[in-house]
Amino acid sequence: EVQLVESGGGLVQPGGSLRLSCTASGFTFSGYTMTWVRQAPGKGLEWVSYVRSSDGEKFYADSVRGRFTISRDNVKNSLYLQMNSLRDDDTAVYYCAREGGGAYLTHWGQGTLVTVSS
Amino acid sequence: IVMTQSPDSLAVSLGERATVNCRSSQSVLFSSNNKNYLAWYQQKPGQPPKLLIYWASTRESGVPDRFSGSGSGTDFTLTISSLQAEDVAVYYCQQYYSTLHTFGQGTKLEIK
Repeated sequence: EVQLVESGGGLVQPGGSLRLSCTASGFTFSGYTMTWVRQAPGKGLEWVSYVRSSDGEKFYADSVRGRFTISRDNVKNSLYLQMNSLRDDDTAVYYCAREGGGAYLTHWGQGTLVTVSS
Repeated sequence: IVMTQSPDSLAVSLGERATVNCRSSQSVLFSSNNKNYLAWYQQKPGQPPKLLIYWASTRESGVPDRFSGSGSGTDFTLTISSLQAEDVAVYYCQQYYSTLHTFGQGTKLEIK
């Protein structure tokens, strides 16, 4: 069974940093593109970033490019999101998700809440 | 690519048809394989999203056949043929054609 478990969320001050982790199990992690999606309280889904399995290339939403860095460790079956220069509007539940045969997202974690506030 | 859904909210009677629309600011049809890079997700309160439809019209395994997707190019539709109480949720479309995979703003579906 595919499982994705996010961790690392919490309360951080504006301008601070946080590193999210997503631990995967139940599938060959190295073979799949992995994605971060976030959802601000009461708002819709926002695609954040993904890292391709084939070549490790990384892509970011305009709202986070230059501040967030996605990475993966195929030995530890883990996905990461390093978030720097955090702003109030980065407050959200952050979901880790796995692609299907295309880039659609077939499996999602339960999410981890990041709150940016002074 | 900007994804725009309509309506923002929808109230439908049990057993009736529900239709959610999604328009992309540019075509998400890849001509070399004739596939539309468009997915639909369902999100219930307190839960992560769930994939319903991919390639615009392919139903994910385990999804009831009352859910169907249609459309091509820039205009897409998610149809629930006979609304059930458990279908109350927010529905999102997403394009994965470009390297930046954007979602629509969501459509909230309620029972009338």
